[in-house]
Amino acid sequence: GQNIDQPTEMTATEGAIVQINCTYQTSGFNGLFWYQQHAGEAPTFLSYNVLDGLEEKGRFSSFLSRSKGYSYLLLKELQMKDSASYLCAVRYNYGQNFVFGPGTRLSVLP
Amino acid sequence: GAGVSQSPRYKVAKRGQDVALRCDPISGHVSLFWYQQALGQGPEFLTYFQNEAQLDKSGLPSDRFFAERPEGSVSTLKIQRTQQEDSAVYLCASSLRLGEGYTFGSGTRLTVV
Repeated sequence: GQNIDQPTEMTATEGAIVQINCTYQTSGFNGLFWYQQHAGEAPTFLSYNVLDGLEEKGRFSSFLSRSKGYSYLLLKELQMKDSASYLCAVRYNYGQNFVFGPGTRLSVLP
Repeated sequence: GAGVSQSPRYKVAKRGQDVALRCDPISGHVSLFWYQQALGQGPEFLTYFQNEAQLDKSGLPSDRFFAERPEGSVSTLKIQRTQQEDSAVYLCASSLRLGEGYTFGSGTRLTVV
């Protein structure tokens, strides 16, 4: 299988930092994406990692370790509008589709 | 168009009824994907097109599900004899080239009663 694991729910405080982890099966790995999805809306692209290391984009950063089959999404200076589900998706060599994890529902509290 | 457009936004169907869900991808996007998303879950792959060719339909859950993209742009996902377990959000996504990040539509929420 291609199990992609993420925590189901996380809670954090406005202004804080939160890290959302994702683990995946490494065989055939060919890229990892993070998407944000507000309730009732379409997922929107946040970041893409294919090489090891940290990709920074404003308040959001994403890290990848291919050998460990591990990624995280780091959100800094949390705002209320960051309350959403965060989806980890992996592209594998043997298919053209992305395999999505179950999503992590993040609640940002005042 | 500027984004991926899906219609209808909401659909209530009686069990046994046939439904057709439409996706208008971004103009020029070659790849088109259909996903099914149950409440509180991540999207699950259904099928994928490159232009008008359906290259992978391994995710379609049964032969009641059928998708087409006859002219390589608009796509329709058809579900025959709907059942309660078909209730979900059906997401369409497109990308300019294979392997690139998707742009998703807002989805069609199907409720089978």
